[in-house]
Amino acid sequence: EIVLTQSPGTLSLSPGERATLSCRASQSVSSSYLAWYQQKPGQAPRLLIYGASSRATGIPDRFSGSGSGTDFTLTISRLEPEDFAVYYCQQYGSSQFTFGPGTKVDIK
Amino acid sequence: QVQLVQSGAEVKKPGASVKVSCKVSGYTLTELSMHWVRQAPGKGLEWMGGFDPEDGETIYAQKFQGRVTMTEDTSTDTAYMELSSLRSEDTAVYYCATWVGWFDPWGQGTLVTVSS
Repeated sequence: EIVLTQSPGTLSLSPGERATLSCRASQSVSSSYLAWYQQKPGQAPRLLIYGASSRATGIPDRFSGSGSGTDFTLTISRLEPEDFAVYYCQQYGSSQFTFGPGTKVDIK
Repeated sequence: QVQLVQSGAEVKKPGASVKVSCKVSGYTLTELSMHWVRQAPGKGLEWMGGFDPEDGETIYAQKFQGRVTMTEDTSTDTAYMELSSLRSEDTAVYYCATWVGWFDPWGQGTLVTVSS
């Protein structure tokens, strides 16, 4: 089973700052099946990025994804107040689906 | 546009079973690959299983093998997830979500509380 590790566990930043979130896989992951989700308290996760770098419908362009192989990154160029949330990466391979443990982005 | 609406919260005793439903609108269930993900309080997301379109079969995470059953009623476009032999560690919010190469959209979640 592919294990996903996310870092940092918590990122404390101020509105307007840039956020860089990392997702590392225990073995190579198909970029086609690497996704990022945002989750706010009491809400279901929301798809942000699919295929490692494609923004989902309605997602602002301050969100971007990059990476390949075992290293992937989610970048929020300038944090807005509504962006403070938990972010999960997720991969699919060999009929198995795994999520990373999440990165919490909170207000400094 | 696919919309998923789940059944309401449940409280169960240890050893019991729970069956959560997920009603599809906007598409028919046969057009979708439905999966289930759970989230224990304060914890991360955990994939439980779902329909694998490559194999045409329902697959389950090893952790839940033998204890979970996922079914579909195509006449009502409703998917079901039944978890048996419940224990306190199964207390969680259970989500249905459609798989299209990624999970989108998600249901609103169903809280299942296991308590004596």
